[in-house]
Amino acid sequence: GQNIDQPTEMTATEGAIVQINCTYQTSGFNGLFWYQQHAGEAPTFLSYNVLDGLEEKGRFSSFLSRSKGYSYLLLKELQMKDSASYLCAVRGLTGANNLFFGTGTRLTVIP
Amino acid sequence: GAGVSQSPSNKVTEKGKDVELRCDPISGHTALYWYRQSLGQGLEFLIYFQGNSAPDKSGLPSDRFSAERTGGSVSTLTIQRTQQEDSAVYLCASSPARKEQFFGPGTRLTVL
Repeated sequence: GQNIDQPTEMTATEGAIVQINCTYQTSGFNGLFWYQQHAGEAPTFLSYNVLDGLEEKGRFSSFLSRSKGYSYLLLKELQMKDSASYLCAVRGLTGANNLFFGTGTRLTVIP
Repeated sequence: GAGVSQSPSNKVTEKGKDVELRCDPISGHTALYWYRQSLGQGLEFLIYFQGNSAPDKSGLPSDRFSAERTGGSVSTLTIQRTQQEDSAVYLCASSPARKEQFFGPGTRLTVL
């Protein structure tokens, strides 16, 4: 089976740094994705990790530890527009390429 | 097109009726996926199409759900004899081979 856990909600202050954690237990692993989803909109791709370590992309970074089944998304210099849900998703080893999603973390950025 | 499109954007139906949801993937994307997102739940995988291969239907919740993809492009998700628990946002995504998936805006289905 697949089990992906993330905090349900987080609040952070504009200009600050926030770390959103994701732990997973899956029957196979072939990459971890982070998506951003604003209310009422489609998820948009943020980052992809398949090897251990940190991937940096502007204000957003994502980290993966395969041995610990753990990832985090780091958002720096928070802006009000970063208020959204952040979805952690794992791709299994099947040939399907389909993703198994966590329930998402709703981030609220306050002034 | 510029992105994945889905229609209708909203659908309200009565319990027991059949509904069809449409997805137009990004041109050239060989893979197409359907997911369901219920309130307070994560995205739930439903079905996956890759090229001309047989679809992976392992995520379909019951035999009331079916999907087809014509000509390797447009896909239709059909729900027969809808139930109230089918109410959700149905998201379609496409990708080139094993790359990241691009999502459409979704169809919000409400079963009364």
